[in-house]
Amino acid sequence: DGGITQSPKYLFRKEGQNVTLSCEQNLNHDAMYWYRQDPGQGLRLIYYSQIVNDFQKGDIAEGYSVSREKKESFPLTVTSAQKNPTAFYLCASKPRTATNYGYTFGSGTRLTVV
Amino acid sequence: AQSVTQLDSQVPVFEEAPVELRCNYSSSVSVYLFWYVQYPNQGLQLLLKYLSGSTLVKGINGFEAEFNKSQTSFHLRKPSVHISDTAEYFCAVSEFSGGSEKLVFGKGTKLTVNP
Repeated sequence: DGGITQSPKYLFRKEGQNVTLSCEQNLNHDAMYWYRQDPGQGLRLIYYSQIVNDFQKGDIAEGYSVSREKKESFPLTVTSAQKNPTAFYLCASKPRTATNYGYTFGSGTRLTVV
Repeated sequence: AQSVTQLDSQVPVFEEAPVELRCNYSSSVSVYLFWYVQYPNQGLQLLLKYLSGSTLVKGINGFEAEFNKSQTSFHLRKPSVHISDTAEYFCAVSEFSGGSEKLVFGKGTKLTVNP
């Protein structure tokens, strides 16, 4: 079955470390998105990509970086510049040309700073 | 920029009671609207969407929503809830800029169904 796989499910980061969250999809979707979820804050957009080798900053991109070298993969790196990285991170995808298509979400990665 | 307001952060109800989760959006132009459900420690699942046409939209698990353009609202309803409906619900609106589309989410409403 097609879907989005996020790994790991839980991740612990020490102060000053960079960590990378994986997001892989086999839906043949062009567009991919990273959201951050904090209690009571809803989902906030970090980065998104419409096609391979192209991506745009979302509303809270500072302290994060992404790459899009393959259609099926959109990894997110949380850098040491992100001062409050503890959160639940969700990856999503959709066909780029289908403007009325709801996103497909992965099951998320919970990142905790220790 | 689009914005979405979910008026209630928490809604407690008893099992088999009706429920309405409220959502208002900011845009006055044509929009696509969505409701998602999230169970603990999971991703989001699409409940229903409004694109055009009939203002009453039916979704999965017995949920429905009504689009009201004049009030810029898209409230979610279910006539009789079950314990299993306990989850967080998110309203979202599509935003288009520079040839790209992205979803703008509300802050969510936690629905707790009590026996």
